[in-house]
Formats: sequence, structure tokens, C-alpha cells
Amino acid sequence: AQSVTQLGSHVSVSEGALVLLRCNYSSSVPPYLFWYVQYPNQGLQLLLKYTTGATLVKGINGFEAEFKKSETSFHLTKPSAHMSDAAEYFCAVTNTGFQKLVFGTGTRLLVSP
Amino acid sequence: DAGVIQSPRHEVTEMGQEVTLRCKPISGHNSLFWYRQTMMRGLELLIYFNNNVPIDDSGMPEDRFSAKMPNASFSTLKIQPSEPRDSAVYFCASGGQPYEQYFGPGTRLTVT
Repeated sequence: AQSVTQLGSHVSVSEGALVLLRCNYSSSVPPYLFWYVQYPNQGLQLLLKYTTGATLVKGINGFEAEFKKSETSFHLTKPSAHMSDAAEYFCAVTNTGFQKLVFGTGTRLLVSP
Repeated sequence: DAGVIQSPRHEVTEMGQEVTLRCKPISGHNSLFWYRQTMMRGLELLIYFNNNVPIDDSGMPEDRFSAKMPNASFSTLKIQPSEPRDSAVYFCASGGQPYEQYFGPGTRLTVT
């Protein structure tokens, strides 16, 4: 069965600092991987996805993630944090043949001035 | 496109009452998902439909929960009778491109 592990339920950074949110996955077949963001009192919004091809994936709002098969990781990064990035971030995995996603437990990003 | 539409946005009801949550997916999407989010349990998939047919309802917690999708543009999640532990935010999501899901704004349910 597929699963994802997000290390750290909370990550705090200063405005302008590097953002790194960690996600490791487990899948018996080549995975499709996703990052979603949830702002307060809103639904989840797709940030970026990896399916096949280029392992460095760029998403909205300056975020990117790199698929590393050898490390079974799909960490999310942004070079310079902005106050508006404060939100909860979810990593998710699926595999071919199934529509449903398996979500991680989420990481809350706190950005201080 | 208006995105996924959910109603009501907030629902407060008393224990034992029937609750019906509604969802209108994005036009052209052929899959629909119902999730529940709580602080304790995080985000849980309750049920999902493909082409209006329920595919996997293994996440539905009890027989008190039921979901229908009578057509491609409408789905309901019903709780009867409701209990305080059902208090949560319920999200509907629709999927078009393989594995992409677009979430609605959610319905915040409070059962007193």
C-alpha cells in the first residue's frame, strides 16, 4: 500500500529564508506525487505534481519539488519565504490505476517577519 | 469555471438530526471525492465516485453515513442520525486530469 510521511508537523522560518518541507513516500510501483496547500478556512489547492519525466517540478507561488527515487523523497522548497506562504502543506501519493490519493498528515508552515 | 461548489458552508445541528451536505463538481470532471478533516484524525477519504458510480466507500465510518451521486453535476453526503463526534470540516473534491483533485471550500459541521 502507498503511504507518505511528512517530517515535522510544524516548520518555522523567517521571511526571506529558505523553505524546506520534507516528504518521503512508500509505493510498490512508480508513484505520482503531489503537494497541496491549505490556507485557513479554505480547501486544499494543488501546488505541483510529479507524474513522469523531469524530476524537478515547478509549481505555483515559486515552489518546487524534486523527485528522488533513490531516497524515496519529494521535498518541497522555496528559496525565499513570504508571509503569505504561511499555511498547511500536504504531500500525497497515488499510483497508476487508482484515482484516490493518500495524504500525509500535513506540515504547518509558520513565517515570522 | 466556478470551481467545486459546496453547500452549506456552515451547518450547526443538534444530535440526532439528519444532515445533508451538497456538492457540485467542476463540469467535465468524472471523479468525485468526499473527505472529512479533523484536528485529531487529519484528512480522511470517506468515499469516491467515478462516472457517478461509487468505487470505494471503505472510509465511510458507519452506516449512519451515506453518499449519492445521481448525476454528473451533483452529489450528497448524508448523516442520519448525527452525533457530536461527526463535527468536522467536510470537503468535496472533483478530479479531471488523472489524479488531480480540485477541492471545494468545505462545509464546517457542528453537532451539539
